[in-house]
Formats: sequence, structure tokens, C-alpha cells
Amino acid sequence: GQQLNQSPQSMFIQEGEDVSMNCTSSSIFNTWLWYKQDPGEGPVLLIALYKAGELTSNGRLTAQFGITRKDSFLNISASIPSDVGIYFCAGISNFGNEKLTFGTGTRLTIIP
Amino acid sequence: DTGVSQDPRHKITKRGQNVTFRCDPISEHNRLYWYRQTLGQGPEFLTYFQNEAQLEKSRLLSDRFSAERPKGSFSTLEIQRTEQGDSAMYLCASSFDSHQPQHFGDGTRLSIL
Repeated sequence: GQQLNQSPQSMFIQEGEDVSMNCTSSSIFNTWLWYKQDPGEGPVLLIALYKAGELTSNGRLTAQFGITRKDSFLNISASIPSDVGIYFCAGISNFGNEKLTFGTGTRLTIIP
Repeated sequence: DTGVSQDPRHKITKRGQNVTFRCDPISEHNRLYWYRQTLGQGPEFLTYFQNEAQLEKSRLLSDRFSAERPKGSFSTLEIQRTEQGDSAMYLCASSFDSHQPQHFGDGTRLSIL
């Protein structure tokens, strides 16, 4: 099935560094969401975006809904060990179509 | 804990057997979704319910798969005559309505021997 393009695929950073990742699509999405998944668990919602151009923060996390509606960005500031995990973007394409289309994921590893 | 609950967490079965998974959504959420996630991939949509009505099914949902939500509360996903390719994590999510984000359970990991 279709999956959104997410980059980078993986990141190795030191604690305290800032992180940026993005998600792109060839088609328009009306809702963008960012989830984090730890091993053996389900995705946990981080941020939801509903309007083109919207910038939303949740603590050290900030996400933006691209103005073209074809992309979204997630930034994490001052990373800490519990930020380790896989980050997924997800989009909903049309009003009335409720299924989430997920990205391929970005695996974040913090180097001690 | 008032999150989405899935049971069992793990299921190991022989090829050809039938399996059934259960999902209990967050209370008062009328939308319930099923997704499948294979190793290294993001979840892929299977089907969803608004109350007891099944409104959409993915092409991934072959004839061997059936999902129900008989009273508009919990849901079951059954796989008949399991195959090796059915090995995956099966995730359930729920939302209050179509405008609210989906919240996921911790999934059922299915392994086919």
C-alpha cells in the first residue's frame, strides 16, 4: 500500500542536540499527525495538524503543516534519552476518508 | 488505564489455524480502526467502523479476514486459514469522531509457524 516518504530513515545524535525530520507526499493531505513508537508498543500521538501553514508545539516538539499540503516537518529540541524510538508521520487525504496513511518512519538513536 | 486495549498481546499459531483478536476502544469513541504493521514499515490501514457499521475495507483485507463490532463497542478481527504472510503486528485505534486524532493500542503480534 501507499506510504509517505519520510526522511531521514535513521538519525544518530548526541543528547542535547536538536532533531529535524520531514515527511512528503505526491498528493494533498488535509490532516497531518506525528506519532512515536517504542519497541513492542503501539504508536503514541505527539502532535496533530489541521490547517496548511499551521505550526504547533508540544513541549520540546514542534511540527508544521506545509503550505502546499504535501509535506510536514517535526523538530525536537534539546534531545533526551527518552526521545529514542521510531517517529512516524501520518496523513488523512480527504474529508470523509478517515484512514491514516503512514510514513516509512525515522529511527532516532542517541549516542551516549 | 482508559486507553485502547488489545488482547492477546502475542499469538503464535500454526499455518492453517484460525485466530481472533479483540480490541476495546477508548470509552465513548465511536470510530474504531484496524491496521497491520510489518517489520520496518509503518502501519497500513485494514478497515474501520463507525459504531457497529463497517464503513471501509482495504484491498489488504482478503476474504480470509473478517472484522466485527456487533454492539458498537469492542471489535474482533478474525483471520481464517492463516498463512506465513499474515505474520505482523495488528494494531487497533479509536477516535471520538472523524475530526479527532486516532489513538492506538499496543497491538497483537501474530507469529505463524
